[in-house]
Order: sequence, then C-alpha cells, then structure tokens
Amino acid sequence: NAGVTQTPKFQVLKTGQSMTLQCAQDMNHEYMSWYRQDPGMGLRLIHYSVGAGITDQGEVPNGYNVSRSTTEDFPLRLLSAAPSQTSVYFCSTGSDTDTQYFGPGTRLTVL
Amino acid sequence: KNEVEQSPQNLTAQEGEFITINCSYSVGISALHWLQQHPGGGIVSLFMLSSGKKKHGRLIATINIQEKHSSLHITASHPRDSAVYICAVKNPGNYQLIWGAGTKLIIKP
Repeated sequence: NAGVTQTPKFQVLKTGQSMTLQCAQDMNHEYMSWYRQDPGMGLRLIHYSVGAGITDQGEVPNGYNVSRSTTEDFPLRLLSAAPSQTSVYFCSTGSDTDTQYFGPGTRLTVL
Repeated sequence: KNEVEQSPQNLTAQEGEFITINCSYSVGISALHWLQQHPGGGIVSLFMLSSGKKKHGRLIATINIQEKHSSLHITASHPRDSAVYICAVKNPGNYQLIWGAGTKLIIKP
C-alpha cells in the first residue's frame, strides 16, 4: 500500500516548456487535489476532482490543466511554464469522512 | 478576515514545555483537520475532528463547535516536534478544505 505517490520529486524547466506532474493513489479515494506551496505561504488549491471524469478549478488554476480518467491517477499539466510557477506541488487524496493523505511533493523550478 | 485563523503565527519554547496552538474559524464545518509539516518535508495528517477531543501519544486535539474553536496541545515537547502545524476546516457536503496559515513551532533543547 503505497498511499499517495508523486513523480518527479524535483524538476527544473525553462520558461515555455511543458510538463506533467504525476500523482497516483491506491486507496480508492474519490477526492484528489493539487496544491502549490510557496515559501512562507500556506497551501493554495490549484485543481481538484471528486471522481473519475470530474474536475474543477481551485483558487489558482491559471496555467495548469488536469484530467481524471481513472480513480487512481490525477496528473497536473503545466502548459507553458513560467517563473511564477516555481513552487512545491502537493497532491492529496481523501474521502468525505476520512483524513487527508498527501504525497511527498514535487519541487519545481522554472528558469 | 480569513475564514480560518491560527495563533500564534510563530512559537518558540524550551524542551519539555506544554504547547498550545489555536485555530478559530468563521464558517460552518463538518470536520477540522490538524496537519504537520517538517521543514522541507511532506505534510502529515495528525487529527480529524468533528467534536470533542482526540489524543495520540503526546498530542491532544480539542474542538468546541459552538465557539468555532480548536486547540492542538503538545505535552512534554521535544525538539523533533519542531514543525509547522496547520489547521484546515471542511465545509459540509464539500470535499474542499479551507486552510489556516500555519503555526511555526520551534522547540529548543
């Protein structure tokens, strides 16, 4: 039981490049979400999903896309990376009555 | 005004001291979460509360629904408790969490 896995752990991109951050969970949770955490700040919700085929925007969705084709996977796509997207990204899962589980995070630097 | 307020923002204490971190919220909730994040580390869920009190080892979490207030206590604090402690609340019928800004705790040996 791996819980929540994220790949990669670290990534450096050049401005304008695109990439996908992977998130997978093996707990059969309906709810998955992506957050970014900037230095000295709290978590900000980017996108979330309440089940396969259903996604919605959070607080800071611009520049990011998501999809949820399966219960297990919830990838986050950066369409054209910008230095403002330099951050640590966390994926999380949970159910309505359960605790929240977080992946280990992806540290992204955009040059 | 933020919907979830934590206090204090920063707390430094000596090893062995009893620690209290507070969380007040202004919205209706179905549950409140306390989470821990070590420097450069991941985020770990400590407690999920909808009423009363929970205890796990040296950590105790309480919630007063009428007063819209929760506290996280650490007994016999230790340097390894140094971390950021985050309070988050969940709206009824909604999976999303509303996050506090966190309390940075440093325990000195």
